[in-house]
Amino acid sequence: DAGVIQSPRHEVTEMGQEVTLRCKPISGHNSLFWYRQTMMRGLELLIYFNNNVPIDDSGMPEDRFSAKMPNASFSTLKIQPSEPRDSAVYFCATNTDGSNEQFFGPGTRLTVL
Amino acid sequence: GNSVTQMEGPVTLSEEAFLTINCTYTATGYPSLFWYVQYPGEGLQLLLKATKADDKGSNKGFEATYRKETTSFHLEKGSVQVSDSAVYFCALSRFGNEKLTFGTGTRLTIIP
Repeated sequence: DAGVIQSPRHEVTEMGQEVTLRCKPISGHNSLFWYRQTMMRGLELLIYFNNNVPIDDSGMPEDRFSAKMPNASFSTLKIQPSEPRDSAVYFCATNTDGSNEQFFGPGTRLTVL
Repeated sequence: GNSVTQMEGPVTLSEEAFLTINCTYTATGYPSLFWYVQYPGEGLQLLLKATKADDKGSNKGFEATYRKETTSFHLEKGSVQVSDSAVYFCALSRFGNEKLTFGTGTRLTIIP
């Protein structure tokens, strides 16, 4: 198995632009988590899905952030419009029901100028 | 709510030194406990875990014992190597697809 796949690995954009981050979970994993990591705030959970349904989005910082999981093999995290303070590494992680071990993707490093 | 408190970093040690990174937790019920490691430029990887009291997780020479009486899960290694330089995160989860609660991470640097 290729593990959790995230794209792009690096994204540089200008303030005000729309950014879309993508995640492909490990096949058979039915929970998916989006995290953000910064030096100042550490690792924060933004939102997580179970069986494609959002369960907890209390960590989404504001309305500029949205996440979707249209099917079991794909999720997106969108920021519109982006701001410099959104610069961070965004991780996707997945697991299966009955297991609380999460498998992380390599992350997307986002820089908003 | 759940919380994890881990040792502030950064920690710098010489090669072959003994390592301890402290972790304590607050949670209802009987959570599972984890140590994740993040090498430079990479995502987090599970290092070891323990699912019930007195369990010892171990991997790559690292060990941690689930101590319910002290609500602790301290990470130890008898002889560290330069390749162990990374950020280490303590975490807990109460059940299957509940979110992980992470500590703030401890940056470890091993010098030759």
